[in-house]
Amino acid sequence: AQSVTQLDSQVPVFEEAPVELRCNYSSSVSVYLFWYVQYPNQGLQLLLKYLSGSTLVKGINGFEAEFNKSQTSFHLRKPSVHISDTAEYFCAVSDSSSSNTGKLIFGQGTTLQVKP
Amino acid sequence: KAGVTQTPRYLIKTRGQQVTLSCSPISGHRSVSWYQQTPGQGLQFLFEYFSETQRNKGNFPGRFSGRQFSNSRSEMNVSTLELGDSALYLCASSPRTSVIETQYFGPGTRLLVL
Repeated sequence: AQSVTQLDSQVPVFEEAPVELRCNYSSSVSVYLFWYVQYPNQGLQLLLKYLSGSTLVKGINGFEAEFNKSQTSFHLRKPSVHISDTAEYFCAVSDSSSSNTGKLIFGQGTTLQVKP
Repeated sequence: KAGVTQTPRYLIKTRGQQVTLSCSPISGHRSVSWYQQTPGQGLQFLFEYFSETQRNKGNFPGRFSGRQFSNSRSEMNVSTLELGDSALYLCASSPRTSVIETQYFGPGTRLLVL
C-alpha cells in the first residue's frame, strides 16, 4: 500500500529565507507525486506535480520540487519565501493501483509559518 | 470559469441526524472526488464519481454515501451522525478520472456534530 510521510509538522522561517518542506513516500510501483497548498478557510490548490521526465519540477509561486527515486522523496523548495506563503502544504501520491482513478493519498501536512 | 462550489459552507448537526452536502464541479469536469479532513486523520479519500458511477471508494463505513447527477453535480450523505464525523469535507473535480489529471478543490463544507 502506498503512503506519504511529511517529516515536519511545522516549519518556521523568516521572510526572504529559503525553505524546504520534506516529503517521503512508499510505493512498490511507479508513482505520480503532487504538492498542494491550503490557505486558511480555503480548499487545496495544486502547486506542482511530477508525472514523468525531468526530476526537477517547477510550480506556481516560485516553488519547485525534486523527485528522488532512490530516496523515495519529493521535497518542496522555495529560495525566498514571503509572508503570503504562510499556509499548510500537503504532499500527495496518486493511487497507481489503477490508472482509472483520481484518488490521492495525502501526507499529514506541514504548516509553513513565515515570520517578518 | 467558475471554480468548484460547495454548499453549504458551514453546518451544525446533532448526533443521530443525517446530512447532505453538495458539490458543483467546474463546467465540463465529469469526475468528482470527496475527501474528509480532520486534525487527527488528515485528508482521507471518501469516494470518486465519474459519469454518475462510483469509480472508487475509501475505507469509510456505509453511513457515508454519495451520488452524481447527469450534470456532474455530486452529493454526499452521512446518516446517523457521530461526533467523529465533525470535519471539513472537500470535493474536487477534474475533467476525467485519471491519476494524472489535476484535481481542483472547492472551499469545503465544515460540519460540526454536537
